[in-house]
Amino acid sequence: EAGVAQSPRYKIIEKRQSVAFWCNPISGHATLYWYQQILGQGPKLLIQFQNNGVVDDSQLPKDRFSAERLKGVDSTLKIQPAKLEDSAVYLCASSFLTDSYEQYFGPGTRLTVT
Amino acid sequence: RKEVEQDPGPFNVPEGATVAFNCTYSNSASQSFFWYRQDCRKEPKLLMSVYSSGNEDGRFTAQLNRASQYISLLIRDSKLSDSATYLCVVRTLTGANNLFFGTGTRLTVIP
Repeated sequence: EAGVAQSPRYKIIEKRQSVAFWCNPISGHATLYWYQQILGQGPKLLIQFQNNGVVDDSQLPKDRFSAERLKGVDSTLKIQPAKLEDSAVYLCASSFLTDSYEQYFGPGTRLTVT
Repeated sequence: RKEVEQDPGPFNVPEGATVAFNCTYSNSASQSFFWYRQDCRKEPKLLMSVYSSGNEDGRFTAQLNRASQYISLLIRDSKLSDSATYLCVVRTLTGANNLFFGTGTRLTVIP
């Protein structure tokens, strides 16, 4: 079974630039999550989708971060403009149901903002 | 106060040793508890769920104390391949499937 796919794997940008990350969840998984993992910390949920609707985006810095899952399958996360403190690994995860406790993570996108 | 708190370590133990990790959670309404494993520069993967009665999976034993809001993971007969960061994870139903991750405890098993 194919896992969660993410691209790019690495990205280096300058502050104030824009960046976008892409995620394709496991086939059939209705729920998709974006997490931010800063070095030395655990993943922090940014946004959760159920199909193409947002379930929780309470921790998404909406002044600069946006995410969409228009067709209820793949998703993009955008940062505009980026700040130095956005340097982190951005992990996408998916689960079969909203209340499935096991979330399957993709390999992540490592973002460095200089 | 953080939802989940863990000792970040690092724990450096010799092969064959027994090692225990602990974590505490702040929300008494938390519903489910897990340990995830994260290898260096890799994504987290579910290691095991933690049940109220305690549960075992091979060399791994997980315990939950709801009264003290405390979760533990015991690894017996440590292997080199156990070297990783162990993330304590708590699920609190707030209308979404929110998982709250601890900072992780780093384990290195030494030959």
